[in-house]
Amino acid sequence: GIQVEQSPPDLILQEGANSTLRCNFSDSVNNLQWFHQNPWGQLINLFYIPSGTKQNGRLSATTVATERYSLLYISSSQTTDSGVYFCAVEGNYGGATNKLIFGTGTLLAVQP
Amino acid sequence: GAGVSQSPRYKVAKRGQDVALRCDPISGHVSLFWYQQALGQGPEFLTYFQNEAQLDKSGLPSDRFFAERPEGSVSTLKIQRTQQEDSAVYLCASSHRGLANNEQFFGPGTRLTVL
Repeated sequence: GIQVEQSPPDLILQEGANSTLRCNFSDSVNNLQWFHQNPWGQLINLFYIPSGTKQNGRLSATTVATERYSLLYISSSQTTDSGVYFCAVEGNYGGATNKLIFGTGTLLAVQP
Repeated sequence: GAGVSQSPRYKVAKRGQDVALRCDPISGHVSLFWYQQALGQGPEFLTYFQNEAQLDKSGLPSDRFFAERPEGSVSTLKIQRTQQEDSAVYLCASSHRGLANNEQFFGPGTRLTVL
């Protein structure tokens, strides 16, 4: 099956700093999503981005499908950005399923 | 509009007990998914429904796990004879298949603790 790797596994930032999180995947995908899991466990949708670049406020993401990676940029980080960031992909299953395969996540801690 | 809801939010079971976890997807969403998230790990796929049809149950870890969605809306995940290794957060997600956007939206999860 598809392998999804995220880096770095852990990241500590001072408030106001910028960061880049990376997601590598081992095969072509139909869908790629970035999530933020808050301290209460809720998975919050950040981006649906199978290809191209999107921006939402201080966050932006780029997926280069041909090279099988995606990047999540966080600018001017805030303490509320703390939590785990997951990349998840949907492979080409021929319509049989639409399951997401998750990476192991990046644990981000933003210090005041 | 309302998001995906799950109940109960927390469940404590004694080993050997049966449990039932409920998921209410976003209204009109055709696809429904169950995932299991162990502590410190990413969510792992359990099963997938399109309307009432269970199209993929390849992630169910054993025959003690059973899911249904009889009317194509609410879904129940049942675990029989719970074991300690079943302790995890169970997440439900839904998506509006049929449009170009098949983005999955997740509920808050049910945290199951088996003693």
